[in-house]
Amino acid sequence: KQEVTQIPAALSVPEGENLVLNCSFTDSAIYNLQWFRQDPGKGLTSLLLIQSSQREQTSGRLNASLDKSSGRSTLYIAASQPGDSATYLCAVPSFGNEKLTFGTGTRLTIIP
Amino acid sequence: GAGVSQSPRYKVAKRGQDVALRCDPISGHVSLFWYQQALGQGPEFLTYFQNEAQLDKSGLPSDRFFAERPEGSVSTLKIQRTQQEDSAVYLCASTFRRGQKNTEAFFGQGTRLTVV
Repeated sequence: KQEVTQIPAALSVPEGENLVLNCSFTDSAIYNLQWFRQDPGKGLTSLLLIQSSQREQTSGRLNASLDKSSGRSTLYIAASQPGDSATYLCAVPSFGNEKLTFGTGTRLTIIP
Repeated sequence: GAGVSQSPRYKVAKRGQDVALRCDPISGHVSLFWYQQALGQGPEFLTYFQNEAQLDKSGLPSDRFFAERPEGSVSTLKIQRTQQEDSAVYLCASTFRRGQKNTEAFFGQGTRLTVV
């Protein structure tokens, strides 16, 4: 059974700093990995989908990397802003199925 | 519509009451998913449809939970005889096409259910 872990559970950094969020998964037979953002009381907003054949995917100040063999992904946020404050979740689909297994998320606070 | 739409956004139910939660996926999306999210946790899978066919309902916690998608578009998640442990946010997601290994999932805003 796939298990997804996100460390740390919470992170506070001053505005302007670069930061890295971590995601690890136990079963490396994945099609892709998706990073989401969730604001309090809201649904999930897709940030990046990184395919199993890719090592990196970039969108603006966000960069996601994927190392299937080691079961790890990182989300790098450059030049953090207060508006980046949210919970960040990573998720992987089950092999042969599209249902997602999520980590418990990292709650990020950017201090102005 | 432009995104996945869920209604109602909030629902308060008395214990024992039946509730129905609606999901309207992105037009043309074949696959539809329901997830349950407890406070401070990641979403947990409930059930999955491809068009009108329910292909996986392994995550439904009890036989009080029932989901349907009769015409392969709008879906309804029904919870009968609600209990306090059913209090959670229920999220709906859709993806474009089945069999596409690299398909991005899009989520609705969720329905927050509180059972009192």
